[in-house]
Amino acid sequence: DSGVTQTPKHLITATGQRVTLRCSPRSGDLSVYWYQQSLDQGLQFLIQYYNGEERAKGNILERFSAQQFPDLHSELNLSSLELGDSALYFCASSETQGFTDTQYFGPGTRLTVL
Amino acid sequence: GDSVTQMEGPVTLSEEAFLTINCTYTATGYPSLFWYVQYPGEGLQLLLKATKADDKGSNKGFEATYRKETTSFHLEKGSVQVSDSAVYFCAFYGQNFVFGPGTRLSVLP
Repeated sequence: DSGVTQTPKHLITATGQRVTLRCSPRSGDLSVYWYQQSLDQGLQFLIQYYNGEERAKGNILERFSAQQFPDLHSELNLSSLELGDSALYFCASSETQGFTDTQYFGPGTRLTVL
Repeated sequence: GDSVTQMEGPVTLSEEAFLTINCTYTATGYPSLFWYVQYPGEGLQLLLKATKADDKGSNKGFEATYRKETTSFHLEKGSVQVSDSAVYFCAFYGQNFVFGPGTRLSVLP
């Protein structure tokens, strides 16, 4: 158990809909990272937040957005969903804002878009 | 652009065999290099890392050396166990965090 929690575990929705994925980092970790893992694209870094501020951006679509709240939990919002958004979405956390810091991954949320 | 190439597998080995999973990268500058492991049904775990040339990362019997001249970070283990069966991802952080496609390893008893 990494100490990172993600909810929900599974999510099934339809095209055009909007969903919110939630992540709670390990106690004491200030950074949260979001990743997408799909068969087509492999594992991709989406975005990082550190202590409430956006720190780094990867291959995140404009239809996707994220935020980190004062209690340090984070939410990833996916809107106007398409079939291709079906994937496993991972959240990770680390103590500091550097990518070389060890990241602890949550179990993931499996999103299925029908 | 930035990219990671690794042998895609699947790789099937017998217990106690020697393991090598090749990884090469294309990046500007001198990125930090990582190997992550994903066990069935779980998230990723950092296996080892190296942040500068000639550094050797090691953990749980696995090793990888940062070779700047060949832009490589090959993963090795002298004697694999059934419990090492997993997917292994090579990655680097330079301008962005980039992952390879993953290599599935199956170790048979």
